[in-house]
Amino acid sequence: AQSVTQPDIHITVSEGASLELRCNYSYGATPYLFWYVQSPGQGLQLLLKYFSGDTLVQGIKGFEAEFKRSQSSFNLRKPSVHWSDAAEYFCAVGGRNFNKFYFGSGTKLNVKP
Amino acid sequence: DTAVSQTPKYLVTQMGNDKSIKCEQNLGHDTMYWYKQDSKKFLKIMFSYNNKELIINETVPNRFSPKSPDKAHLNLHINSLELGDSAVYFCASSRIAGMTDTQYFGPGTRLTVL
Repeated sequence: AQSVTQPDIHITVSEGASLELRCNYSYGATPYLFWYVQSPGQGLQLLLKYFSGDTLVQGIKGFEAEFKRSQSSFNLRKPSVHWSDAAEYFCAVGGRNFNKFYFGSGTKLNVKP
Repeated sequence: DTAVSQTPKYLVTQMGNDKSIKCEQNLGHDTMYWYKQDSKKFLKIMFSYNNKELIINETVPNRFSPKSPDKAHLNLHINSLELGDSAVYFCASSRIAGMTDTQYFGPGTRLTVL
């Protein structure tokens, strides 16, 4: 069965520090992978997605993610966090053979001044 | 010029009542979705419509009935509300059905059943 695990429920980083949010997925074929961000009181916004090709994907707002098939991971990174990045981040997996996402439970990011 | 809008934003109601949540998108998309986000923040798809036709219908109680009067609207009607229906409900749309197209989400409707 398809599933997504985000092992970190909460993460706090200092402004300007680097960030890595972990995502592991379970899917039997080549996955489509996504990261979404949800700001308080807002809907989800797509940060980036991976379908195929280069395993390092660039997204909006300076985020990137790397697909590692051997580790079944799709971790999200940002070299220098800004206070406005404080939000909840969701990883999701989909696939060619079905037309819906499976979402992780989210990681809440706090940014210290 | 909101892309995907939902009304109401908050809905507080008693058990047993019937309520509706409305969703509209002005993006010209063909496909719309309803998701439920529970208290543990898990987001799960409930329904999807493509050109007003139902294409995804997850294991959802039949007290939940989506209605798509046209491509731009997908409403969610819930009968006989139960405590467990308390959640945030998100509407989304995409240009086409399938995983390759970006889904745009509305701001959510927080439903509280007392």
